[in-house]
Amino acid sequence: AQSVSQHNHHVILSEAASLELGCNYSYGGTVNLFWYVQYPGQHLQLLLKYFSGDPLVKGIKGFEAEFIKSKFSFNLRKPSVQWSDTAEYFCAVSAPDSNYQLIWGAGTKLIIKP
Amino acid sequence: GAGVSQSPSNKVTEKGKDVELRCDPISGHTALYWYRQSLGQGLEFLIYFQGNSAPDKSGLPSDRFSAERTGGSVSTLTIQRTQQEDSAVYLCASSSTTSGIQYFGAGTRLSVL
Repeated sequence: AQSVSQHNHHVILSEAASLELGCNYSYGGTVNLFWYVQYPGQHLQLLLKYFSGDPLVKGIKGFEAEFIKSKFSFNLRKPSVQWSDTAEYFCAVSAPDSNYQLIWGAGTKLIIKP
Repeated sequence: GAGVSQSPSNKVTEKGKDVELRCDPISGHTALYWYRQSLGQGLEFLIYFQGNSAPDKSGLPSDRFSAERTGGSVSTLTIQRTQQEDSAVYLCASSSTTSGIQYFGAGTRLSVL
């Protein structure tokens, strides 16, 4: 069965600090990879995705993620965070043999201190 | 166009009552998913609909849970004889293709007293 592991449940950073959130998954076949974000009081929205091609993908608001197949990882990065990045971040994977249902990590709550 | 719409946004019910949660997907999206977000379990898949195919019910936690999708559009998730452990946010997502991006509604927050 597929599973997704996010290494940090809570992260607190100051503005302008660099961010890296870890995500590892367990599945041997082809997967689609996602990072979703949930801002306070808002619904889940897509930050970025990887389906195929260039393993370095860029998303909205300056976020990027790198798919490293050999490490089963899809870590999220941002060089300089802003107070408005305070949110909960979820890594998710989907695969064809499970109807592309999203399998979710536990989420990382990110707090940016102004 | 409009995004995924869910209603009600909040539902408070008494233990043992039945509830119905509604999802109106993005127009033209053939794939529809229900997920549940709870404190103890995180985000978990419940059920999947694709066009006129039989739904994938593998994530439903018990036979008290059921869902239907009428006319390939609106979906209703029904929970019978609600229990306190059913308290959660129920999320609906739709996608233009099965393998595509899933777009989420705001969810229904269910509280079972």
